[in-house]
Amino acid sequence: QTVVTQEPSLTVSPGGTVTLTCGSSTGSVTGGHYPCWLQQKPGQAPRTLIYDTSNKHSWTPARFSGSLLGGKAALTLSGAQPEDEADYYCLLSFTYDWRVFGGGTKLTVL
Amino acid sequence: QVQLVESGGGVVQPGGSLRLSCAASGFTFSSYGMHWIRQAPGKGLEWVTFIRSDGRKAYYADSVKGRFTVSRDNSRNALFLQMSSLRREDTAVYYCATDIKWGFEDWGQGTLAIVSS
Repeated sequence: QTVVTQEPSLTVSPGGTVTLTCGSSTGSVTGGHYPCWLQQKPGQAPRTLIYDTSNKHSWTPARFSGSLLGGKAALTLSGAQPEDEADYYCLLSFTYDWRVFGGGTKLTVL
Repeated sequence: QVQLVESGGGVVQPGGSLRLSCAASGFTFSSYGMHWIRQAPGKGLEWVTFIRSDGRKAYYADSVKGRFTVSRDNSRNALFLQMSSLRREDTAVYYCATDIKWGFEDWGQGTLAIVSS
């Protein structure tokens, strides 16, 4: 049973910077896991922010960035806004039929 | 603009079947692999299945393998999920999403399937 680990909750001040991480029980996360980051607000469908480690969609705010950090995938938010308060999920892909989401991070902007 | 609209959710008894649909518009459907992802009430996300753009190959999570079948009709811009031998733990909102580089691009709003007696 592969476990993908995220911080259950984090708090950031408005205008501040925070890094969310995504680790794997199988070992270091690499670009070959194609890390993907999603944002979900209450009552809404998820929205993808980052795919393939660091690629952004056209709708991804510039303040979000993806990277690999210390054997984990990372999502950094620089200059947090109140509207960034949400749940954030990462996805790691190991094979075509082995893709695992992390448990999610509840981000509070306070 | 891209639109993905899921339908077909509802209430079904354990052991029953349900067929979900995802109607796609605003993009060249036949060029994209497609995913189904689900979310149990109050819980996190779970990847369910992926089907390649031409429909010739599909992949499933272990939790649904042998019970769920994904298919697509590129002539109708439609994606389907046939769910059989349903269990209470299959209760969830089911989302369809377009694939990009092993991740997701666009998402639908989801359809709720409830397995209950």
